Amino acid sequence: DQQVKQNSPSLSVQEGRISILNCDYTNSMFDYFLWYKKYPAEGPTFLISISSIKDKNEDGRFTVFLNKSAKHLSLHIVPSQPGDSAVYFCAARGDSGGGADGLTFGKGTHLIIQP
Amino acid sequence: GAGVSQSPRYKVAKRGQDVALRCDPISGHVSLFWYQQALGQGPEFLTYFQNEAQLDKSGLPSDRFFAERPEGSVSTLKIQRTQQEDSAVYLCASSDYYEQYFGPGTRLTVT
Repeated sequence: DQQVKQNSPSLSVQEGRISILNCDYTNSMFDYFLWYKKYPAEGPTFLISISSIKDKNEDGRFTVFLNKSAKHLSLHIVPSQPGDSAVYFCAARGDSGGGADGLTFGKGTHLIIQP
Repeated sequence: GAGVSQSPRYKVAKRGQDVALRCDPISGHVSLFWYQQALGQGPEFLTYFQNEAQLDKSGLPSDRFFAERPEGSVSTLKIQRTQQEDSAVYLCASSDYYEQYFGPGTRLTVT
């Protein structure tokens, strides 16, 4: 059973508008969440993260929101740019200490920014 | 600075062959992870090293998969007697604590 779910396989957004990517999780032991961006034939690139003790983290055009009670997080990109077209993965981590946990990934959302 | 590198980038193996995939992590990173990514899926955790110690190998799919990191730096993932279901991209990541930084991956195709 998938512990991290990204229910939208793809999303198309007009350039300059806001992109909102969603992610749900089922494991209440997850305490750290990350978003990765992936271009074809490259490895995932770290984008932004959030600890479970926060509900928002912002870095430039990227903001991640966490709703612990709903076990839901979202990534907002504003304004969206053509270079943002990529596959976005949501990932979650438990906390056994020392950064020792492997990440659990969703299946990804393919974001397409249209001019 | 230099990121995580992996070699080879592409590997074609005939069913039954053994393969070895190499990962060079970011210098100074204590933690190293291997993931397997099947087509259309997210990466799935295989194994984790802290320095040279393999602390978690719960994600390795079978005893045909073996990983090592003898000097706490470079790591090798070995797959013995490859099967078609082993075809995937194998990703290596290193970490200084929270965020994991990924290499470009090795695409393994078993024919």
